[in-house]
Amino acid sequence: DQQVKQNSPSLSVQEGRISILNCDYTNSMFDYFLWYKKYPAEGPTFLISISSIKDKNEDGRFTVFLNKSAKHLSLHIVPSQPGDSAVYFCAASLYTGANSKLTFGKGITLSVRP
Amino acid sequence: DSGVTQTPKHLITATGQRVTLRCSPRSGDLSVYWYQQSLDQGLQFLIQYYNGEERAKGNILERFSAQQFPDLHSELNLSSLELGDSALYFCASSVTPWGYTFGSGTRLTVV
Repeated sequence: DQQVKQNSPSLSVQEGRISILNCDYTNSMFDYFLWYKKYPAEGPTFLISISSIKDKNEDGRFTVFLNKSAKHLSLHIVPSQPGDSAVYFCAASLYTGANSKLTFGKGITLSVRP
Repeated sequence: DSGVTQTPKHLITATGQRVTLRCSPRSGDLSVYWYQQSLDQGLQFLIQYYNGEERAKGNILERFSAQQFPDLHSELNLSSLELGDSALYFCASSVTPWGYTFGSGTRLTVV
């Protein structure tokens, strides 16, 4: 049962344009959402997060939007740069104290064309 | 360098064998998480340890086991290996329940 879904396996955009990466989840109890970025031969690195009490969080070129009613979040990258080419994982957390864990989606491969 | 160290980086072994993957968490992080990344499967949670105790279990096979030692490093033991166990295995550590820092992973190839 995939509780966090990234239905598009890949996305290709032109440098300078906006990249929109989508993520859906099924568990309405999730209370924290994160995006991780992964380059080949490296582990995932934290990119940006959002609490379920917010609907938007912005950090430089990266903005995450949360629509709780639709159980949907998206990551916007503006403007996209070739160095943004990587696999992006959406993750969700259900806080249960020290037993909390992140549930990840399958990832989206973003390619930014020069 | 994320501060989470995983060894070895690559491992090639035969079916039926047993291997041990090692993870040293970031200094001060008490929680260690193990994830498996197979082709097209994303990051699948295997198991979590907190200060030496098992705290959460995910889709971990009975042939797999893990432990966290008093110095907080962790080992993931994979036995009776099958071709389908070939994957990237990531360790992550954290202080908060969501602030994971990942190691660079161990790529396991079973032949």
